[in-house]
Amino acid sequence: QLQLQESGPGLVKPSGTLSLTCTVSGDSFSSSTYFWGWIRQPPGKGLESIGSVYYSGRTYYNPSLKSRVIMSMDTSKNQFSLRLSSVTAADTAVYYCTRQYCSGDDCYNDYWGQGTLVTVSS
Amino acid sequence: SFELTQPPSVSVSPGQTANIPCSGDKLGDKYACWYQQKPGQSPVLVIYQDTKRPSGIPERFSGSNSGNTATLTINGTQAVDEADYYCQAWDNSNFYVFGPGTKVTVL
Repeated sequence: QLQLQESGPGLVKPSGTLSLTCTVSGDSFSSSTYFWGWIRQPPGKGLESIGSVYYSGRTYYNPSLKSRVIMSMDTSKNQFSLRLSSVTAADTAVYYCTRQYCSGDDCYNDYWGQGTLVTVSS
Repeated sequence: SFELTQPPSVSVSPGQTANIPCSGDKLGDKYACWYQQKPGQSPVLVIYQDTKRPSGIPERFSGSNSGNTATLTINGTQAVDEADYYCQAWDNSNFYVFGPGTKVTVL
């Protein structure tokens, strides 16, 4: 059974950089079938896509966050990571890592981590 | 930019059918998928490729997509189906978007 687990600081200062890692177990992380993604959910609000990374290192980012996001993969550790710079209180959210199937415009997230709350505050 | 709209809430009596619409410009020309999220839990994929159910999702969940509207239907709604439901589709800006979510209440 595939499992994804987010890890990283739960508190980040304004103007700082949010850094999270997702560890994947139970499946081939280097499969060419899937992307690996980050999605966030501010408290009491809806879901927002952040970005996706492919095993080759190719990335896709939400245009609204693109200027602040970097995603990468470490296949030797079965991990992928998110860095979001210049954070503000508006970036406070539960951050989920996911496995994504994407082919053309057919794209869905079939496995999700449990989520980790990141609060931006001084 | 491409946007998806959903009603904030839908109420349904136990055993009845709940229809949850998701609207977007020419949405029927794209693939839509749906997620169920219960309080304090991660979202769960319930429909993908408009109509397909992942393994383990009950048969009472079904989907359709035509014109500008995708619809998630729950037949014989049960109390355990009370949750928030989000639709998702691909944006032509090479990324995907979520609808704002619909809270389903089983009265």
